[in-house]
Amino acid sequence: GESVGLHLPTLSVQEGDNSIINCAYSNSASDYFIWYKQESGKGPQFIIDIRSNMDKRQGQRVTVLLNKTVKHLSLQIAATQPGDSAVYFCAENTLSTGNQFYFGTGTSLTVIP
Amino acid sequence: DAGITQSPRHKVTETGTPVTLRCHQTENHRYMYWYRQDPGHGLRLIHYSYGVKDTDKGEVSDGYSVSRSKTEDFLLTLESATSSQTSVYFCAISEPDRIYGYTFGSGTRLTVV
Repeated sequence: GESVGLHLPTLSVQEGDNSIINCAYSNSASDYFIWYKQESGKGPQFIIDIRSNMDKRQGQRVTVLLNKTVKHLSLQIAATQPGDSAVYFCAENTLSTGNQFYFGTGTSLTVIP
Repeated sequence: DAGITQSPRHKVTETGTPVTLRCHQTENHRYMYWYRQDPGHGLRLIHYSYGVKDTDKGEVSDGYSVSRSKTEDFLLTLESATSSQTSVYFCAISEPDRIYGYTFGSGTRLTVV
């Protein structure tokens, strides 16, 4: 089966600092990746995605980096705010598996005011 | 979450009783999924549906059944609840093109005592 994991289960950062959340995946055929944010008591929400033909994609205060050589992606959050406190998941998809995504276990980000 | 609702939000039930969770969407998405979320395991796929009366098993389907008689409704039934099925259950919807992944409901917290 697929294996998607995270390097650190918890991360604490000071408000205003940048946050980096990491994710490793095992399937070299994976070609589409999504980062989700899950706030307490809610379902995961889409943050940003990236395809395997890219190595970087930027959104509003977030950047995803993809390193296919080592099968690693990261989520960078600039100027972290208290509202960023949540659990962050990476999810990967392979065209051959159709619409099915595989999820990592998540990293809990705590922003310290 | 707009367009997808789960009911009930919380439920406590006794071991051995049947339980049905409901997922209702107003997005007219073709694909629907049921996941369970447990500490240390992330999101695990229980069952999914690619259309009315078209369902299939996921990686943790034992003890669960599903039905989809209408596009908008996807029901998950625990045939005889066990304590190991205590979990948070999420429904998700998506389009066939896998773009942006899934939209998740807010979850149902089920406790089996």
